[in-house]
Amino acid sequence: KQEVTQIPAALSVPEGENLVLNCSFTDSAIYNLQWFRQDPGKGLTSLLLIQSSQREQTSGRLNASLDKSSGRSTLYIAASQPGDSATYLCAVGMNYGGSQGNLIFGKGTKLSVKP
Amino acid sequence: DVKVTQSSRYLVKRTGEKVFLECVQDMDHENMFWYRQDPGLGLRLIYFSYDVKMKEKGDIPEGYSVSREKKERFSLILESASTNQTSMYLCASSPGIVRGMLETQYFGPGTRLLVL
Repeated sequence: KQEVTQIPAALSVPEGENLVLNCSFTDSAIYNLQWFRQDPGKGLTSLLLIQSSQREQTSGRLNASLDKSSGRSTLYIAASQPGDSATYLCAVGMNYGGSQGNLIFGKGTKLSVKP
Repeated sequence: DVKVTQSSRYLVKRTGEKVFLECVQDMDHENMFWYRQDPGLGLRLIYFSYDVKMKEKGDIPEGYSVSREKKERFSLILESASTNQTSMYLCASSPGIVRGMLETQYFGPGTRLLVL
């Protein structure tokens, strides 16, 4: 059974710092890996999606990498800002039987960026 | 822009009540999902549907049922609400696998349910 682990569970950094969030998964037979952001009391917003054949994706100050063979992904945030404060969730896309691809989520990393 | 709406942001119900949570998406997506999110447990899949009138159990279907009579609407039903169903409920939709690629899921804002 696929398990997704995110380390650390919480992170507090000063504004301007570059930081890395980690995600690991146990089963490498994935469709893709996604990073989501969740603000308190809100739904999830997709940040980056890396297909299983890709190694990385970039969007603005965010860069996500995928090493399928080792079961790892990292989300790199450059020049962090207070507005980046949120919980970041990693999810792997799997194919279960007749389903059209389900997501297995990690428990998230709660990021706090101090001004 | 994809829009996924949920009928209520906050809901308070009594133990034993029948509870309906509604989710509507406007992008003609095939797949729809219901999750619950609890501190320390993360998001867990309750049910999903990949077509009208089709439903599949997720990881924690006990105590829940679902209905998908129309493509755009996916309802979660708590037949007899219990206090351990107090949670944040999130609905999502997705086009599924398109040209061999699994597309992302789009989430609604969530419904925070309190069962007293």
